[in-house]
Amino acid sequence: GAGVSQTPSNKVTEKGKYVELRCDPISGHTALYWYRQSLGQGPEFLIYFQGTGAADDSGLPNDRFFAVRPEGSVSTLKIQRTERGDSAVYLCASSLGYSGANVLTFGAGSRLTVL
Amino acid sequence: GDSVTQMEGPVTLSEEAFLTINCTYTATGYPSLFWYVQYPGEGLQLLLKATKADDKGSNKGFEATYRKETTSFHLEKGSVQVSDSAVYFCALIMNRDDKIIFGKGTRLHILP
Repeated sequence: GAGVSQTPSNKVTEKGKYVELRCDPISGHTALYWYRQSLGQGPEFLIYFQGTGAADDSGLPNDRFFAVRPEGSVSTLKIQRTERGDSAVYLCASSLGYSGANVLTFGAGSRLTVL
Repeated sequence: GDSVTQMEGPVTLSEEAFLTINCTYTATGYPSLFWYVQYPGEGLQLLLKATKADDKGSNKGFEATYRKETTSFHLEKGSVQVSDSAVYFCALIMNRDDKIIFGKGTRLHILP
């Protein structure tokens, strides 16, 4: 597609529920990133995929968070047993290669609210 | 660890005013530096970047110079427009790393 597409744009859920957030990157972009932006903060790195594999998942806060990219294109961020502290905007970005040398294109984000 | 500190907002200016948004960084080596912008309802966009000391990044009338001696990358524009109203993020990435480290962002309001 022309840009990075994220769905849903807004998600409201109850504490303890399971949530999936989807990212559809720009066609041909091998690198895909997930960031989390809490209110009043800058984006914080969660995980980086190069192709199908997670090259760096050091930013995932705990084992309730998991992300996949099975075919090297679309990625899904999965959050189990959601907590109120998980409320944030989850940003996805893609690039031709790793972010040091290539410009990242960000999606508009998925706003998650945990009640 | 590596980090970015930028001036807190909101910053409110009149149209055609001069803009400076301060940004300083802490890093163990020599990072590449960026300014990203987030317009209302849109995704983050790269505004400009500089990859080594004394480089000047520029775009859309905005400029920032990589100052190693003061570990700074201040964003400037000589004459702002209402359409520049947005949130601006200073950021860095270390050489051969894969994660961009962002500042907290500065919200800019330009009044007509």
